[in-house]
Amino acid sequence: NAGVTQTPKFQVLKTGQSMTLQCAQDMNHNSMYWYRQDPGMGLRLIYYSASEGTTDKGEVPNGYNVSRLNKREFSLRLESAAPSQTSVYFCASKRQSYEQYFGPGTRLTVT
Amino acid sequence: QKEVEQNSGPLSVPEGAIASLNCTYSDRGSQSFFWYRQYSGKSPELIMSIYSNGDKEDGRFTAQLNKASQYVSLLIRDSQPSDSATYLCAVGRTSYDKVIFGPGTSLSVIP
Repeated sequence: NAGVTQTPKFQVLKTGQSMTLQCAQDMNHNSMYWYRQDPGMGLRLIYYSASEGTTDKGEVPNGYNVSRLNKREFSLRLESAAPSQTSVYFCASKRQSYEQYFGPGTRLTVT
Repeated sequence: QKEVEQNSGPLSVPEGAIASLNCTYSDRGSQSFFWYRQYSGKSPELIMSIYSNGDKEDGRFTAQLNKASQYVSLLIRDSQPSDSATYLCAVGRTSYDKVIFGPGTSLSVIP
C-alpha cells in the first residue's frame, strides 16, 4: 500500500501560470481533502470531497478548483497562480468519521 | 471566531514533565476529535482520536473531551525531547465530513 501519494513534491510557478496538483489514495477511502499550510497557520481546508462525485468548499476556496476524478483521485487546480498561493499543500483521505491519512505534501512557490 | 482554537505557543517543558495542550471548538455538532503531531517539514501523523466525553489513554498520551464545554485536551506524560513538534487539534462533524484544524501549538521538550 502506498497510502496517499501527491505529485509533484516541489513546484515553482510564475504569477499567472496554471497548474494541477495530483493526489491519489489506495485505501478505498470515500472522503478526500485538500489543505494548505502556511507558517503559524495550521492546516486550512481548501476543498473536500465526501464521496465520489461530490465536492464542497472549505475555509479558503478562492483561487482554486478541484476535481474528484474517481474514488482514488482528487486533483487541485490553480488557474492563475498568485504569490499568496505560495504554501505547502497536503492531500488527505479518510474512511467515515475516522482519522485522516496525509500525503507527503507539495511545496509550491509562486514568484 | 475561529472554528478551532488552540493555546498559543510555543510551549516549553523540561524532560520528564507533563505537557498540557488545549483546544476549543465552536461547532456544537462536532462528533470526532483528533490530535496530530507534525515534525518540521513532515506530514501530520495521528496521535489520538476521541469520540466520547471523558478520558482516553494510550501509553504516555491522554486525550480528554468535554463536549458541554466544547473543549478537548492532550496530556503528554514523561515528555521526551522526541516529543518536540507542533501538535494540531482537528474536529469533524460526521454527517458533513468536513474536518477543521486548529492553528497548532509548538512544543519544545528541553533535555
